[in-house]
Amino acid sequence: NAGVMQNPRHLVRRRGQEARLRCSPMKGHSHVYWYRQLPEEGLKFMVYLQKENIIDESGMPKERFSAEFPKEGPSILRIQQVVRGDSAAYFCASSQGALGGNQPQHFGDGTRLSIL
Amino acid sequence: DAKTTQPPSMDCAEGRAANLPCNHSTISGNEYVYWYRQIHSQGPQYIIHGLKNNETNEMASLIITEDRKSSTLILPHATLRDTAVYYCIVRVISSGGSNYKLTFGKGTLLTVNP
Repeated sequence: NAGVMQNPRHLVRRRGQEARLRCSPMKGHSHVYWYRQLPEEGLKFMVYLQKENIIDESGMPKERFSAEFPKEGPSILRIQQVVRGDSAAYFCASSQGALGGNQPQHFGDGTRLSIL
Repeated sequence: DAKTTQPPSMDCAEGRAANLPCNHSTISGNEYVYWYRQIHSQGPQYIIHGLKNNETNEMASLIITEDRKSSTLILPHATLRDTAVYYCIVRVISSGGSNYKLTFGKGTLLTVNP
């Protein structure tokens, strides 16, 4: 009964390096969402993906950030040339059902990204 | 989505019922009330959701007032592990729009004391 799996749980990068965060949705879920939680703040929506498609990336910074959800394998959130302000907890959620359906999103335990 | 208002913090004795209120006075007819909680260092955990009828599952009960302007999440027998931030979220359920974006406010920090 695996839930949403994220790895790594903790990731440390130096400024300028790349960070790759992985998310495997719950079994049977084909909708993936990424959220970011800055210290002392609430979760903020970043991007919504279905298999091989980005549905909405309006919450994601235009530069350095990208996301994918390939036909096979986990969803990846990629941050290039990281800066100190990217330090945050990144959470992935998944859901069953179509856009707008009455389906709750289930979250993973997040990846805590620290930039040195 | 309608705005929600929750008290910033509450205390509850272990073994007693925890009743967490949420005000959503501008809720519209096609908006559901969702509850999540976030235990320290973990991801948000889905608890329950409802439209207008009271709902119960293995974790909690959700009581929605008849006018739908407020709701209460009830944890019947709180344990120390229920200490967490509880979020009340109102979400439109429709086939269009960006209603998949969950908006997390500041929530209520529930502290269960021994």
